[in-house]
Amino acid sequence: DAKTTQPPSMDCAEGRAANLPCNHSTISGNEYVYWYRQIHSQGPQYIIHGLKNNETNEMASLIITEDRKSSTLILPHATLRDTAVYYCIVRVATGANSKLTFGKGITLSVRP
Amino acid sequence: GAVVSQHPSRVICKSGTSVKIECRSLDFQATTMFWYRQFPKQSLMLMATSNEGSKATYEQGVEKDKFLINHASLTLSTLTVTSAHPEDSSFYICSVVDGTGNQPQHFGDGTRLSIL
Repeated sequence: DAKTTQPPSMDCAEGRAANLPCNHSTISGNEYVYWYRQIHSQGPQYIIHGLKNNETNEMASLIITEDRKSSTLILPHATLRDTAVYYCIVRVATGANSKLTFGKGITLSVRP
Repeated sequence: GAVVSQHPSRVICKSGTSVKIECRSLDFQATTMFWYRQFPKQSLMLMATSNEGSKATYEQGVEKDKFLINHASLTLSTLTVTSAHPEDSSFYICSVVDGTGNQPQHFGDGTRLSIL
């Protein structure tokens, strides 16, 4: 069963920030929020993950609400190459239950 | 640079042929590797968890005798699709994880399998 819900699609203009929402209202205390993306015909690419604090790396920022029931992935300056399916996944850190379960994701289309 | 190498990237073969796909961890020793399958316009579905030195754990509905997994070393896992048929045509993707801590899974570039 999917533990996250995402809108099916969204678009944004090139150069603008893309804010991708994700709901995970049943997240457990030991589960992290992970974001991956998949560009057509390629394997998924890791973007970022977090537990409860906001995180930022060279690709994106992850904002997690205080109650941890939702999060937002922010691509600060979207480019055409950011067009992809973005997956929000909750996962226990390590151990036998550390497998990723992919939902349908959100298709982001960046327009010129 | 790439963390995972998957080979081949594309295979086209006749029905009844067995096909072997390799997944190599380049950056670290992977005690666990995962195999996924993705049909067109669908999401990734986990097929099995491959553990070095032990038998793989298959997800419900995945035939272990059809999809043979060997994880003989800490850097290599193989998936063999035995007696492949057209319905096995799919995009097969492996991932590796460093089991020492809270590290993300890294994925290969996938293998596009087409059975004629």
